[in-house]
Amino acid sequence: DAKTTQPTSMDCAEGRAANLPCNHSTISGNEYVYWYRQIHSQGPQYIIHGLKNNETNEMASLIITEDRKSSTLILPHATLRDTAVYYCIVKRSQGNLIFGKGTKLSVKP
Amino acid sequence: SAVISQKPSRDICQRGTSLTIQCQVDSQVTMMFWYRQQPGQSLTLIATANQGSEATYESGFVIDKFPISRPNLTFSTLTVSNMSPEDSSIYLCSAASTSGRTLYTQYFGPGTRLTVL
Repeated sequence: DAKTTQPTSMDCAEGRAANLPCNHSTISGNEYVYWYRQIHSQGPQYIIHGLKNNETNEMASLIITEDRKSSTLILPHATLRDTAVYYCIVKRSQGNLIFGKGTKLSVKP
Repeated sequence: SAVISQKPSRDICQRGTSLTIQCQVDSQVTMMFWYRQQPGQSLTLIATANQGSEATYESGFVIDKFPISRPNLTFSTLTVSNMSPEDSSIYLCSAASTSGRTLYTQYFGPGTRLTVL
């Protein structure tokens, strides 16, 4: 499964959009981009995933570049409760979730 | 989405003893997984719990240390055997269903926080 690169940490003002980048330059054609987050002392929470097209759900939007080598997770109106570690994971549909270090997002008032 | 519960939520154990962690899913799932999260670290996959056969362990994890059971499609246990302080971690259960070669979204339990003295 392809590896991903994420910034170690990011800050975001409450109410603003949080844009979390992820590089996955070695992604293969059959690999999906998944995003999870882990709020302190809780199990990871699924956010969204995509293959080629941009995706949106009630939690976030996922923007995947045309060459699929990078993506951005967008939380449109960040709240204090969105403070968490965000993991970008690339895997085949039948592959295992392999977690990297993720991005620690701090939402500040 | 699947709702996953784990018991116990936390425990403090003496070295040399064993602890069995239970994982219950609210619906039948094809795949169940066990992860470890050491203090300040990311999650590491320990093994895939297979229903009706032995678990599949990742490199660095062995059955004697982490025996796993999967008696049915909604339940699994992980035992941490002969514990040492280095086993102090959060242990997380995860589950997903499959259709053909497609593994659906994985969901996670709340974790079991283990401290070994």
